[in-house]
Amino acid sequence: DAGVIQSPRHEVTEMGQEVTLRCKPISGHNSLFWYRQTMMRGLELLIYFNNNVPIDDSGMPEDRFSAKMPNASFSTLKIQPSEPRDSAVYFCASSRQGAGELFFGEGSRLTVL
Amino acid sequence: TQLLEQSPQFLSIQEGENLTVYCNSSSVFSSLQWYRQEPGEGPVLLVTVVTGGEVKKLKRLTFQFGDARKDSSLHITAAQPGDTGLYLCAGARSQNFVFGPGTRLSVLP
Repeated sequence: DAGVIQSPRHEVTEMGQEVTLRCKPISGHNSLFWYRQTMMRGLELLIYFNNNVPIDDSGMPEDRFSAKMPNASFSTLKIQPSEPRDSAVYFCASSRQGAGELFFGEGSRLTVL
Repeated sequence: TQLLEQSPQFLSIQEGENLTVYCNSSSVFSSLQWYRQEPGEGPVLLVTVVTGGEVKKLKRLTFQFGDARKDSSLHITAAQPGDTGLYLCAGARSQNFVFGPGTRLSVLP
């Protein structure tokens, strides 16, 4: 079975540009999580969905960040406008609700110049 | 302020040595997980501990959950270069997980 698939793996953009990160969770998993990882702050939860519904977005840094899950097999994390401090590795993870194990994608490394 | 603290932050040892890393919190968790992350990849689950005082073994790795379910330890016996990576603990809260900052382990041949 395919794991969690994220794209792009790497993105370099200039400050002020819009960035869209994509995630395809494992089929049959009904919880999806977006995390951000930096050396300074470690792995931080941004938002998570259960059955395509956002449950907790308290980790979303500010209004520049938005996330959607239009269906069970796709989610996006958008940053508009991007800033240099947004540079990080963004991970998507999925799990079967209640099962407890998080399956992570390989991450999207974002660099904002 | 980190909800979960991990120590040490960095650890560099020789192949064959034993080591213990710690995960501590002032909060009680319903369960606690340990993940290992290698460069360029996402974290991968090693173990989940649920019961206070529980001990789980995974080959050369031994995991313990504190009696009060606030802390945990990971002990590696006879470390190998393949054990190199970032070890993350994660506490379960509601339906999501809070991660510690990690212990970065380097095992030198």
